[in-house]
Amino acid sequence: GNSVTQMEGPVTLSEEAFLTINCTYTATGYPSLFWYVQYPGEGLQLLLKATKADDKGSNKGFEATYRKETTSFHLEKGSVQVSDSAVYFCALRAGGTSYGKLTFGQGTILTVHP
Amino acid sequence: DADVTQTPRNRITKTGKRIMLECSQTKGHDRMYWYRQDPGLGLQLIYYSFDVKDINKGEISDGYSVSRQAQAKFSLSLESAIPNQTALYFCATEGVYGYTFGSGTRLTVV
Repeated sequence: GNSVTQMEGPVTLSEEAFLTINCTYTATGYPSLFWYVQYPGEGLQLLLKATKADDKGSNKGFEATYRKETTSFHLEKGSVQVSDSAVYFCALRAGGTSYGKLTFGQGTILTVHP
Repeated sequence: DADVTQTPRNRITKTGKRIMLECSQTKGHDRMYWYRQDPGLGLQLIYYSFDVKDINKGEISDGYSVSRQAQAKFSLSLESAIPNQTALYFCATEGVYGYTFGSGTRLTVV
């Protein structure tokens, strides 16, 4: 079945540091890949997505590239801010459909200090 | 008002009690989902519905049931709550632009 594995957390960084959160997946076919962010006390919000190999999703300074050869979708940001402190989830949706259930990774807690 | 509203926000209940978590949406989406979030496990799918007459089990449906009363309403019930159902529960809708999540219901079973 489908699965998503994220790097172990939590991650603690100083403001303006470079961020990488690793995400690898197992799926048949060509899944769509997503990063969601959850701020304290809130539901998940879509951060970015990619629907085919070599696509790069980007939003709010965050980027992730769909790497079919390494089955990865690592999240990066060049300079984090305190306001980026949140839980980040990598997720996939099975290929062949533009809607449907998501499979989530375990989440990575990011804390950014001033 | 929020696009996806979950009630209650927090609930403490006793083992063996029946409890219902409610979800309503103003997005006009047909597809709705219930997920459970546990620390270190991410979100796991409990049930999903692609329209009022279509209900499907997810990965962890045992001990749960759902009701899709209308396009806008999708309720999750725990028939006889047990402590390992203590978790954060999220309802979500899905439209053309993807998922919209509610703010969650934190359920504690004592």
